[in-house]
Amino acid sequence: DIQMTQSPSSLSASVGDRVTITCQASQDISNYLNWYQQKPGKAPKLLIYDASNLETGVPSRFSGSGSGTDFTFTISSLQPEDIATYYCQQYDNLPRTFGPGTKVDIK
Amino acid sequence: EVQLLESGGGLVQPGGSLRLSCAASGFTFSSYAMSWVRQAPGKGLEWVSAISGSGGSTYYADSVKGRFTISRDNSKNTLYLQMNSLRAEDTAVYYCAKDHHLIAPSAFDIWGQGTMVTVSS
Repeated sequence: DIQMTQSPSSLSASVGDRVTITCQASQDISNYLNWYQQKPGKAPKLLIYDASNLETGVPSRFSGSGSGTDFTFTISSLQPEDIATYYCQQYDNLPRTFGPGTKVDIK
Repeated sequence: EVQLLESGGGLVQPGGSLRLSCAASGFTFSSYAMSWVRQAPGKGLEWVSAISGSGGSTYYADSVKGRFTISRDNSKNTLYLQMNSLRAEDTAVYYCAKDHHLIAPSAFDIWGQGTMVTVSS
């Protein structure tokens, strides 16, 4: 199975800050990488697919980059409604696997 | 409006069975692969199983292979997960999710609200 790691596991930032989360795959997954946002008690929401494509309706402050084994997710200007846990997920191989998540809150 | 609505969760004893359903609306159900993803209490996301749009191809995580069966009825726009030989470690919220693509699971762009499955004596 492809193992996904994320760092940091949690972070606190101020409103307006730039926030960056990294995701690393245990082997080359090309650009087969997605990012999800999950707010407490809610279902996950797809934000970024194929490493860098913004899902329809998702604010442009969210972005993704990377390929191979190293990926980055960025919130350009953190907003109060962005408080959530963020997960990366690979779909290069079965089983599909998620990273352990990064919890983002407001400082 | 695109919507997924799960049902069928509940409390079941170890070794028991449960069937989850997921009713889809607002999109052409047969044109997309569908998946089940679960989340144990306080834990992360775990992909469980997927099925192609036609139902001809199915995929499972090793943790459920041989115990769970995914199926779909495209005439009823409904996805199912038959869960047998349930274990305590199967306790989780189970989400159904629509895929971006037709054949194999890729990006999960629409999620249901989830249904809780508790396996306990």
